[in-house]
Amino acid sequence: EAGVAQSPRYKIIEKRQSVAFWCNPISGHATLYWYQQILGQGPKLLIQFQNNGVVDDSQLPKDRFSAERLKGVDSTLKIQPAKLEDSAVYLCASSLRAGTESTDTQYFGPGTRLTVL
Amino acid sequence: AQSVAQPEDQVNVAEGNPLTVKCTYSVSGNPYLFWYVQYPNRGLQFLLKYITGDNLVKGSYGFEAEFNKSQTSFHLKKPSALVSDSALYFCAVRDQTGANNLFFGTGTRLTVIP
Repeated sequence: EAGVAQSPRYKIIEKRQSVAFWCNPISGHATLYWYQQILGQGPKLLIQFQNNGVVDDSQLPKDRFSAERLKGVDSTLKIQPAKLEDSAVYLCASSLRAGTESTDTQYFGPGTRLTVL
Repeated sequence: AQSVAQPEDQVNVAEGNPLTVKCTYSVSGNPYLFWYVQYPNRGLQFLLKYITGDNLVKGSYGFEAEFNKSQTSFHLKKPSALVSDSALYFCAVRDQTGANNLFFGTGTRLTVIP
C-alpha cells in the first residue's frame, strides 16, 4: 500500500513570496490533515479535511495560509505572503475515517521543509 | 484542554540495554494515546496506540508502551535497544472533541550508544 505522498520535499523562498505544497493521501482515506512542525517542537495541526469539507481550521493563520482539497483526494496548502517564522516542516497525514467515532491512526507523509529567507 | 509532556529532551542508552521514553498527558474524558518515531528528513512513523483494554500495548519494531491511568502516563519501552532505534520520538494524545486532532509533545531524542 502506497503511503502519503508530498511534494516538493524542500523549498527555499524569500519573505513575502508565495509557496504551495501538495499532498496525496493514502487511497481511500477520508480524512486529511496538514501539520506545521517548527524545529525543536512537535507537529501542530493547521487544518483537517473530511472528504472535501473542512472539519477544523481553527489554528490556520487565514490571513496568509489557505488550503483546499478538491474532489476529496489531493490537497494543496498555500502560504502568501510568507514570513520568516513560517520556516518549518509541513506534514500531511491521512486517516481512514473521521469524526468522533474514529480512533484510526494518522499516517504521515515525509513532509516539505520550507526555509524562508 | 489536551496536552502532552515529554520531560526529557534527550535520552541516552547503551546498545542492548532496556530503554524508556517518558510521556505524561492531560485530557478530559478517556485518553487515546499514540507514539510516533521520526528519523532524519522523514515524516512521522506510527509505532503504537492505546485506545482501550490491556494497559500494555505492543507495537512495531519491538516497542511497547504502558498506560497508567492513575499516573496519567504512557511511557514507551523496549527491552533491548538497537543503534537503529536512535531517532526522535513523539507522544501524542487525541482531541476529545469531534475533530480527531492529535496534540503532540515536544519530542525526545533517543541516542543508542554502540
